Amino acid sequence: EPEVTQTPSHQVTQMGQEVILRCVPISNHLYFYWYRQILGQKVEFLVSFYNNEISEKSEIFDDQFSVERPDGSNFTLKIRSTKLEDSAMYFCASSALRAEYTIYFGEGSWLTVV
Amino acid sequence: RKEVEQDPGPFNVPEGATVAFNCTYSNSASQSFFWYRQDCRKEPKLLMSVYSSGNEDGRFTAQLNRASQYISLLIRDSKLSDSATYLCVVNPSAGNMLTFGGGTRLMVKP
Repeated sequence: EPEVTQTPSHQVTQMGQEVILRCVPISNHLYFYWYRQILGQKVEFLVSFYNNEISEKSEIFDDQFSVERPDGSNFTLKIRSTKLEDSAMYFCASSALRAEYTIYFGEGSWLTVV
Repeated sequence: RKEVEQDPGPFNVPEGATVAFNCTYSNSASQSFFWYRQDCRKEPKLLMSVYSSGNEDGRFTAQLNRASQYISLLIRDSKLSDSATYLCVVNPSAGNMLTFGGGTRLMVKP
């Protein structure tokens, strides 16, 4: 079964450092997403991306965050200057069509900011 | 009011039991509804979509009541492997954002 792959699986970074989380969505999917889950809390939407631009973003997705699809396969989330409260599991996801159809999640990248 | 609200549980049930989870959502214009399953420190996985007419997939039955803004999931003949957190998920608009509830934890005991 095709799957969304994410790297790294776990990253520890110092506060103020830049972090890039990488994702390879399922190959024929057109919509890409980032969600995050702080330990013990609910999964929260960050951003959706379609046709090489952001289609929707949440209040969490402020100027410290950016997304990019640098080539035909990778989809990245960059956090420019990490804060302690950015520590969370970050899930990449993709769907063939819009969100009312099945969204497939990657296994997540666990980010710890110290 | 939380956008998607669930009883966090845990629900502790014996193998073979029937268990039901409920969820309420605040946005009456919500378009699509889902139940996801999440194992500890793993990604959410789609369990089933929820349709207005109700739908069943094996031991799992989902119901939607738009008037009451209420979604349910029924699990029959619980298995040990059903132990997980069940996430009620709503697409609140025609956009691409999914709103997750906090999840209901189920523990099935031998």
